[in-house]
Amino acid sequence: RKEVEQDPGPFNVPEGATVAFNCTYSNSASQSFFWYRQDCRKEPKLLMSVYSSGNEDGRFTAQLNRASQYISLLIRDSKLSDSATYLCVVILNTNAGKSTFGDGTTLTVKP
Amino acid sequence: DGGITQSPKYLFRKEGQNVTLSCEQNLNHDAMYWYRQDPGQGLRLIYYSQIVNDFQKGDIAEGYSVSREKKESFPLTVTSAQKNPTAFYLCASSNLNRGSSGNTIYFGEGSWLTVV
Repeated sequence: RKEVEQDPGPFNVPEGATVAFNCTYSNSASQSFFWYRQDCRKEPKLLMSVYSSGNEDGRFTAQLNRASQYISLLIRDSKLSDSATYLCVVILNTNAGKSTFGDGTTLTVKP
Repeated sequence: DGGITQSPKYLFRKEGQNVTLSCEQNLNHDAMYWYRQDPGQGLRLIYYSQIVNDFQKGDIAEGYSVSREKKESFPLTVTSAQKNPTAFYLCASSNLNRGSSGNTIYFGEGSWLTVV
């Protein structure tokens, strides 16, 4: 089993739709969680950190469920510009520096 | 501007040649990383370094070497022992021990390596 697993893609949704991605992690001692966005042939860029209490940034909401060991990303009112690959990142130990990326979920928003 | 600079952006290598990818950061970050990404795939960790003059192997270190002589620099050498080196290489950095959100990973723009 992979340390970090994401929903298989691709997700194809119409503009204005709400879409959610999940990401499960295997090590219950993991300390930090993030969502990144990666456009085609570009570097990943931070979308948002994921806090224990859940957090929202505009149309994006991130949740952490430690009991079930997953994080989620909800995108409301999808825009064409949201089309990208979304990567979840799990850091086991903030002192150790090693992070694990999921393989990514591809989202395509269509007119 | 603060950030991570990778060079070259595009590199062509003949089989049997070693090549070195440069990575410099002026963010004063403790940790630096090298990842490899193949088309349609996720990121795989090659090497990482938490402090100057120290580094650890990641998941796919074979055929690669690194050095960390300065805090701001973490060059990656792709050796002839790496049998399938054509890929997108990403350098990244982060701070350590800064709490749950302080150790965000920042990436350079990447280097495309093609073996010809």
